[in-house]
Amino acid sequence: ETGVTQTPRHLVMGMTNKKSLKCEQHLGHNAMYWYKQSAKKPLELMFVYNFKEQTENNSVPSRFSPECPNSSHLFLHLHTLQPEDSALYLCASSDIWTITGELFFGEGSRLTVL
Amino acid sequence: KNEVEQSPQNLTAQEGEFITINCSYSVGISALHWLQQHPGGGIVSLFMLSSGKKKHGRLIATINIQEKHSSLHITASHPRDSAVYICAVVSYSGGGADGLTFGKGTHLIIQP
Repeated sequence: ETGVTQTPRHLVMGMTNKKSLKCEQHLGHNAMYWYKQSAKKPLELMFVYNFKEQTENNSVPSRFSPECPNSSHLFLHLHTLQPEDSALYLCASSDIWTITGELFFGEGSRLTVL
Repeated sequence: KNEVEQSPQNLTAQEGEFITINCSYSVGISALHWLQQHPGGGIVSLFMLSSGKKKHGRLIATINIQEKHSSLHITASHPRDSAVYICAVVSYSGGGADGLTFGKGTHLIIQP
């Protein structure tokens, strides 16, 4: 148990569906992140929120839409995805004042786009 | 941009063997992380290093700042050590977690 919870753990959706991934942390952290992990590739940073404000959008297509209503919750809204978007989506949190950058990860949401 | 290379990409060994996974990077860093990812997907932090050596149970991590190289060792390996081991570095220009650069990971399988 890392203190970061992601739901759902598995999601299958068609290209015309709209779904959302949810992440919740109770570690008192002030930064939250979405990462994408595709097969044989390094983790790719998608979005960063510091104190609920988006500070980075790493050239992510607009079919991925993040939302951070408070410092404990982070959503990733998905719409009109493509099969190549199938991947493991990992949420993480950290304390931005810790310069060594330690991240606490959730278990991930495995997304399959048909 | 820091380039992080891990070797080997895949490693299969017998239970009890001594395991070494290597990580090299191209630009000076403020810290290096070793992470473990189990088949279910979740990632946990094993070590955070900025110099020298750290030990936790059967795991040992070392870093040589001058050579820009780190190693993760597993002594008396066990099938439950089977996982993907990921190296990640915090570059000087980055700072904070959004400055992390990840390696592709080493897929380790320990056979009984």
